[in-house]
Amino acid sequence: AQSVAQPEDQVNVAEGNPLTVKCTYSVSGNPYLFWYVQYPNRGLQFLLKYITGDNLVKGSYGFEAEFNKSQTSFHLKKPSALVSDSALYFCAVRDMGSNYQLIWGAGTKLIIKP
Amino acid sequence: DTAVSQTPKYLVTQMGNDKSIKCEQNLGHDTMYWYKQDSKKFLKIMFSYNNKELIINETVPNRFSPKSPDKAHLNLHINSLELGDSAVYFCASSPDSSGRVQYFGAGTRLSVL
Repeated sequence: AQSVAQPEDQVNVAEGNPLTVKCTYSVSGNPYLFWYVQYPNRGLQFLLKYITGDNLVKGSYGFEAEFNKSQTSFHLKKPSALVSDSALYFCAVRDMGSNYQLIWGAGTKLIIKP
Repeated sequence: DTAVSQTPKYLVTQMGNDKSIKCEQNLGHDTMYWYKQDSKKFLKIMFSYNNKELIINETVPNRFSPKSPDKAHLNLHINSLELGDSAVYFCASSPDSSGRVQYFGAGTRLSVL
């Protein structure tokens, strides 16, 4: 079965430090992978995606993600965290079945402390 | 101009009532979705329409009925509301049904008392 796991419910980082939000996946075939961010009382916003090509994908707000096929991971990273990065982050993978819906992780709450 | 707009933003109602949530997108997209986000923030797809045709219908009580009058609109009608229906409901759209980027509305917070 296809799935996405975000092993951390919450990640705490000091402002200015690098951050990583973890995501692992299980799909058959080549994955389409996504990261979305949800700020409080808002809808989800697309951050970045991996479909093919370079394993390091750059996205909005200075975020990037590294696709690692051998480890089936797609971790979200940022070199220097801002307090305004505090939000809920979702990883998703495209279902490779007939309807191409997104399979969502449970979300990771990122807290950046000043 | 909001790309994906949902109304109302908040909905408080009594058990047993019937209510509707409306969604409109002005992006020219072919595909629209309804998601439910529970109190633990889990996101679950409920329905998806592509060009007004239902393409995803997950295990959702038949009290929930989506309606797509045209490809820019996808409304959600809920009959006989139950306490467990309390959640945030998100509408989203994407250019097509091939699993491309989705654009979300701001959500409708439904509270059933």
